[in-house]
Amino acid sequence: KAGVTQTPRYLIKTRGQQVTLSCSPISGHRSVSWYQQTPGQGLQFLFEYFSETQRNKGNFPGRFSGRQFSNSRSEMNVSTLELGDSALYLCASSLAVTGGAGGEQYFGPGTRLTVT
Amino acid sequence: AQKVTQAQTEISVVEKEDVTLDCVYETRDTTYYLFWYKQPPSGELVFLIRRNSFDEQNEISGRYSWNFQKSTSSFNFTITASQVVDSAVYFCALTERTGRRALTFGSGTRLQVQP
Repeated sequence: KAGVTQTPRYLIKTRGQQVTLSCSPISGHRSVSWYQQTPGQGLQFLFEYFSETQRNKGNFPGRFSGRQFSNSRSEMNVSTLELGDSALYLCASSLAVTGGAGGEQYFGPGTRLTVT
Repeated sequence: AQKVTQAQTEISVVEKEDVTLDCVYETRDTTYYLFWYKQPPSGELVFLIRRNSFDEQNEISGRYSWNFQKSTSSFNFTITASQVVDSAVYFCALTERTGRRALTFGSGTRLQVQP
C-alpha cells in the first residue's frame, strides 16, 4: 500500500507570496492532519480534516488555511508569506473510522518551504 | 493543557549499548494516547508505537521496548543493543480524547549511535 505523499517536496517563495501544499493520504484513510516543524518551535499541529470538514485547528493565524476533497486529498494554503513560515510542513493520515483520537497517524515526507 | 517533556536533548552511545529515552507528559484528560515516532535524517516521521491510557502493559518489539507508568506520567523508550541505523531524532507525543487527532509533541531527543 502506498504511503502518504506530499507535493512539492521543496519550495522557495518570496515574502508576501502565497503557497499551496498538497497531501494524498494512504488509500482508505479519511483523516488528514497538518503539522509545522521548525527548529525553534518544534512540531506544532496546524489543523485536521475528516470527511471534508475541519475538525480541529491549532494556534496559527488565519493566513494558514486548508481543505479536504471528497477523495480525502488535502491542501493547505499559506497567504502573505513571512520569513517565519519557513519550515518543514508534514501531513499525516489516519484511518479514523469513528473520528476518535487514538488512531495511528502516518506521516508523509514533508514539504520544505523556504521563504526569502 | 497537555504537555510532553523530553528532557534529553541529545544522547550519544556506542553501538551495542542500551539506551533509554525519557518522556514525561501532562494531561487533564483521563483518556489519552501516547506515541513514539522516529525521524531519520530524511525527515519523515516513522510511527513506532501507540499506547492508550488504560493499558499500562509494557511492550517489547524486537530491540525496542516501552515502559508506561501512569503513576509517574512517563512513557519511556528503550533500545537494546543499539545500532548505527537507530541514529535519528525520536519524538514522544500525546493526544487527548477531546483533542481528537491533534498530536502534542515533545521537543525530541537526538540519538547518535557511534560505530
